[in-house]
Parts: sequence; C-alpha cells; structure tokens
Amino acid sequence: DTEVTQTPKHLVMGMTNKKSLKCEQHMGHRAMYWYKQKAKKPPELMFVYSYEKLSINESVPSRFSPECPNSSLLNLHLHALQPEDSALYLCASSQLAAGGETQYFGPGTRLLVL
Amino acid sequence: RKEVEQDPGPFNVPEGATVAFNCTYSNSASQSFFWYRQDCRKEPKLLMSVYSSGNEDGRFTAQLNRASQYISLLIRDSKLSDSATYLCVVNTNAGKSTFGDGTTLTVKP
Repeated sequence: DTEVTQTPKHLVMGMTNKKSLKCEQHMGHRAMYWYKQKAKKPPELMFVYSYEKLSINESVPSRFSPECPNSSLLNLHLHALQPEDSALYLCASSQLAAGGETQYFGPGTRLLVL
Repeated sequence: RKEVEQDPGPFNVPEGATVAFNCTYSNSASQSFFWYRQDCRKEPKLLMSVYSSGNEDGRFTAQLNRASQYISLLIRDSKLSDSATYLCVVNTNAGKSTFGDGTTLTVKP
C-alpha cells in the first residue's frame, strides 16, 4: 500500500484563525515532507522530517509550524496566515530522507485564506 | 538561474507521436533524478527514476548526462492518457528535492 492520506481535502480560514493540516502514512517510511504548490507552479519544499526530527526548514515563515508526533503522522499548524498563503499543501513520505528515495505524495489540502 | 530548468512547453502532439522533454540542473552535487507526472488538480506521481546508464519503461525512456547536468524523457507512441504535466525532480543526498517548473503535454486524437 503506497498511500499517503491528508485531511482535510479543502480548508477555508480567516487570517486570525488557527488550523492544522494532517498527514498519515503506514508504509513504515521514516522521512516525511511538506510542500506548498501554487497554481501552475511546481511544488516547493517547506519542511523535511527524518526519524521524527526536523532536518530541513526551507526558511518557512513561523506562521507555519510543523509537528511530527510519531513516525506515521505529520501535522502542519497554521496561524495568522496571509491570503498569499492560499495554495495546495502536499505531504509526501519516503523510506529515508536520502537522495535516491522515491517520494510518495498525498492528495493534498487545498487551502484558501480569506 | 533556477536550480532545475525544464523546456517551457506546452507540447501539443497527435496520438502516436514521439515527444522529448529536457531538463538541466545547476547543482553538481545532485545525487538522484526523477520524472514525475502531475495530472490537473492531482498530486505528483512518480513516473520513473533516472539512472546514469539510461533506463526504459515501456514507451518511456529516461537518460542522464552528469557531465552536462542534463536529464531527458522520451515518450514514444503517445497516448491520450499521457496528457499531463511532467516534472523533472533533482535530489541532494540529504533528501532535499527541487522540482522543475514542469512541461505540459497535451496529446490530441
């Protein structure tokens, strides 16, 4: 089973709201990723977790706060977002956080910030 | 200069055509290379990894030239179902993935 699930599928939030995106995989992968994708643009890496520890933060604003409670779960906590943060947020996982690993993507959460 | 650059496209081809996409990368320390496809409003899905010796999977052939820092994807006998955006992906050994902007392919009857 090469499935990564994400909830919710769609999210609308105001700039003062706090919300969380959730990602789950049961493939035994030890690396998990958050990407942001704007329309007609490629995914942009935000965070990488390796063995539940944050290994890469691509200078993401602090209004995005990742959390990896265990090896199967990855959350992205959102607070005080801006309208320009509206995008598709993709979660991915791979066996390891190493160069040759295939990443498996979830279906994404479409976020609209009003 | 972008780290990963792809043919801008779009490519519009008839069924049965052969089409080639090119991708260049700037980081000589890049370790691994992939082609993903992304359908409209869907997540990216791995099409194939790219190996130095070149590799083929059915109608798809991928090649890597490390000296020129160049990757290619060849699709033979295009099908309608091949219509998608094709993303070139380059990884460092720390697991950092950089995506090209993607090339959109439309295969027409």
